[in-house]
Amino acid sequence: EVQLVESGGGLVQPGGSLRLSCAVSGFTFSDHYMDWVRQAPGKGLEWLGRTRNKVKSYTTEYAASVKGRFTISREDSKNLLFLQMNSLKTEDTAVYYCVRATSDTTGFYYFQSWGQGTLVSVSS
Amino acid sequence: DIQMTQSPSSLSASVGDRVTITCQASQDITNHLAWFQQKPGKAPKSLIYAASSLQSGVPSKFSGSGSGTHFTLTITNLQPEDFATYYCQHYHNYPLTLGGGTKVEIK
Repeated sequence: EVQLVESGGGLVQPGGSLRLSCAVSGFTFSDHYMDWVRQAPGKGLEWLGRTRNKVKSYTTEYAASVKGRFTISREDSKNLLFLQMNSLKTEDTAVYYCVRATSDTTGFYYFQSWGQGTLVSVSS
Repeated sequence: DIQMTQSPSSLSASVGDRVTITCQASQDITNHLAWFQQKPGKAPKSLIYAASSLQSGVPSKFSGSGSGTHFTLTITNLQPEDFATYYCQHYHNYPLTLGGGTKVEIK
């Protein structure tokens, strides 16, 4: 069974940092691209960024709203995905989801499986 | 950036109804379009990818169509468990962007 379990959320002050983790099981983690998506309270879903797999040299992509502040990394040997969040703002308050992405027949990667999410609250 | 516009933003329907949700992309995304379902307090669930391909385990009451810039999600024989918010998302280039969501409520 595919499982993605986020952890590391909590309350942090503006300007602070937090590192989220996503532990995965039930599939070959190293083969997949992985994404982070968030949802502010009462709002829609927002894509944050992606890490590609080893074949693609673990290269990353980011949304403009978090580029330069957030960093996505992974540790394939431990089936772990990370989201390092720095310079946090009150508007970063949201539930953060890790997402497994997989390739369609055209070689483009779509969201396949979601974690349950972890809540990050940025407040003084 | 590609903008994804969903309509309507909400709709009311009865059990047994057939509903259609529309998603418009601001530029051609071929068929790189996915749909998700989200129930209150829960993580999203992937329903469809490549505009019309069902994710594993998703019932055939859900169907997607379209290409280019215009896409639809259709749900037939609406059941209580289908009342949720539905999102479309393109994965054609970066940044990946999602529509604002369509809330399907019980009439």
